[in-house]
Amino acid sequence: EPEVTQTPSHQVTQMGQEVILRCVPISNHLYFYWYRQILGQKVEFLVSFYNNEISEKSEIFDDQFSVERPDGSNFTLKIRSTKLEDSAMYFCASSEGPRRSPKHEQYFGPGTRLTVT
Amino acid sequence: DQQVKQNSPSLSVQEGRISILNCDYTNSMFDYFLWYKKYPAEGPTFLISISSIKDKNEDGRFTVFLNKSAKHLSLHIVPSQPGDSAVYFCAAITQGGSEKLVFGKGTKLTVNP
Repeated sequence: EPEVTQTPSHQVTQMGQEVILRCVPISNHLYFYWYRQILGQKVEFLVSFYNNEISEKSEIFDDQFSVERPDGSNFTLKIRSTKLEDSAMYFCASSEGPRRSPKHEQYFGPGTRLTVT
Repeated sequence: DQQVKQNSPSLSVQEGRISILNCDYTNSMFDYFLWYKKYPAEGPTFLISISSIKDKNEDGRFTVFLNKSAKHLSLHIVPSQPGDSAVYFCAAITQGGSEKLVFGKGTKLTVNP
């Protein structure tokens, strides 16, 4: 069964450093998302991406964040200058989109645990 | 700003009995609701969903009920199995938008053998 994959599974970085989190969405999906979950808190939406552009972003997704689909398979989240409060589990998700998937389900990757020290 | 609320952080039931997980929402623009299950060290997995034009959707052991006037939905698992032990998230979507999911905080279900 197709699945969303994410690398690395765990990333440790120092405050102020840049990190790139990588995702390979399911191949025929059209919508891509990043969510994060700070320990003990709910899963929060960061950004959605469709047709090679951001379709919506949350207040969390400020100028330090960017997303890219550099080729036909990868979807990346870059944090330019990490802060302590960026420490969280980051989930990538993909979906076929509402027209092809009336259930609206999104398929999530296993996550990347980002630790900023 | 808790638009989706799961007020019970945990629930414990006996194997074979019914598990009922509850969820409330405040945003009347939500028109589609989903339940996800999450095991430790894994991403959320889609379980079942319901449109706001329906009041019930069933898939095997899982049934979701929606009470739109009360802005309340619940997930019933019958019969509960030890493998159902996980964190269950309620999520909502406003259709016609970016399809972003708005999640509740989750309820940790433990099914005891």
